[in-house]
Amino acid sequence: EPEVTQTPSHQVTQMGQEVILRCVPISNHLYFYWYRQILGQKVEFLVSFYNNEISEKSEIFDDQFSVERPDGSNFTLKIRSTKLEDSAMYFCASTDNFGELFFGEGSRLTVL
Amino acid sequence: GNSVTQMEGPVTLSEEAFLTINCTYTATGYPSLFWYVQYPGEGLQLLLKATKADDKGSNKGFEATYRKETTSFHLEKGSVQVSDSAVYFCALSRQETSGSRLTFGEGTQLTVNP
Repeated sequence: EPEVTQTPSHQVTQMGQEVILRCVPISNHLYFYWYRQILGQKVEFLVSFYNNEISEKSEIFDDQFSVERPDGSNFTLKIRSTKLEDSAMYFCASTDNFGELFFGEGSRLTVL
Repeated sequence: GNSVTQMEGPVTLSEEAFLTINCTYTATGYPSLFWYVQYPGEGLQLLLKATKADDKGSNKGFEATYRKETTSFHLEKGSVQVSDSAVYFCALSRQETSGSRLTFGEGTQLTVNP
């Protein structure tokens, strides 16, 4: 069964460092998303991506964040200069054409 | 704006007990409603959904009915199993599809003991 895969599963970084989280969406999907969940809080929408551009972003997704689809398979989330409050579980998701959203297992980011 | 509120967890039940996890929402228009489940070490998976008032979503013995009059979408199961232990998330989307931006509740940790 096709699935969304995310790497790394856990990353520990120092405050101020750049972090790239990687996702491989399901191959025939066209819409891609990043969500995050700070420990003990709700899962929050960050950004959606379609046709090689951001289609929607939340107020959380500020200039420190960027997304990219550098090739035909990967979808990355970059945090330019991490802050303590960026510590969270980051979920990638994809869908074909507003069908069911398929989520990856998440990447846990710990900022020290 | 849109919001989803779930009953606070964690919830601990014995096997074969009846499960209810409450979910209420605030939204404009006619959102679609979902329950997602996250088993240990796995990603979020769609459990069931309902796209209009009075619809009942069901899957794996779980059910939830879209109640517009009470703005609720409570999750129920008549007899839980140990394998149902997971985190359950209620969510809504603004469009009558599964794939648009989702607004999630806090998640409810369910533990079922043998």
